[in-house]
Amino acid sequence: DQQVKQNSPSLSVQEGRISILNCDYTNSMFDYFLWYKKYPAEGPTFLISISSIKDKNEDGRFTVFLNKSAKHLSLHIVPSQPGDSAVYFCAASDANNAGKSTFGDGTTLTVKP
Amino acid sequence: DVKVTQSSRYLVKRTGEKVFLECVQDMDHENMFWYRQDPGLGLRLIYFSYDVKMKEKGDIPEGYSVSREKKERFSLILESASTNQTSMYLCASKAGGLKNIQYFGAGTRLSVL
Repeated sequence: DQQVKQNSPSLSVQEGRISILNCDYTNSMFDYFLWYKKYPAEGPTFLISISSIKDKNEDGRFTVFLNKSAKHLSLHIVPSQPGDSAVYFCAASDANNAGKSTFGDGTTLTVKP
Repeated sequence: DVKVTQSSRYLVKRTGEKVFLECVQDMDHENMFWYRQDPGLGLRLIYFSYDVKMKEKGDIPEGYSVSREKKERFSLILESASTNQTSMYLCASKAGGLKNIQYFGAGTRLSVL
């Protein structure tokens, strides 16, 4: 039972346009959601997060939206840049689970110049 | 900046060998994690530790064990390596508290022949 799903393995966008990465979850106990970015030959790095008490969090070009009723979150990158090309992982956690996070399979974003 | 260091970037081992993967973090984090990353499967949790000498199984602990004798060091042990353990292994650490941001090492790519 995969509790966090990223249904698009890959996404390609033109430089300057918006990138939208999607993530769905099934566990209603999840209360904190994170996005990580991973370049080849490097470990994932934290990008942005959102608590379940919010529906939007913005940090520069990156915005995460949370729709609790749909158990869905999305990451918007505007404008997209070639340096954003990476694998993006969605992760979810709940406060009662010793700090563990459940990760999605990842979406490979390619931003074309 | 948090630094998580994995002792080897690449390892090649033979089937049946005992393999040690070492991870050290420099931020006095309570929680440490071992994941493996395989194409199309995302990050899967092998084991985690929430304190010295404390450990808990993750989603795929079979064939692995761990050791945490000191707070800064978390070791993953493959008791008898098998070819299906060929993978990218990622170590992470996390401070206590509600913000479940994990900090990852660069990864160890292990090949078992």
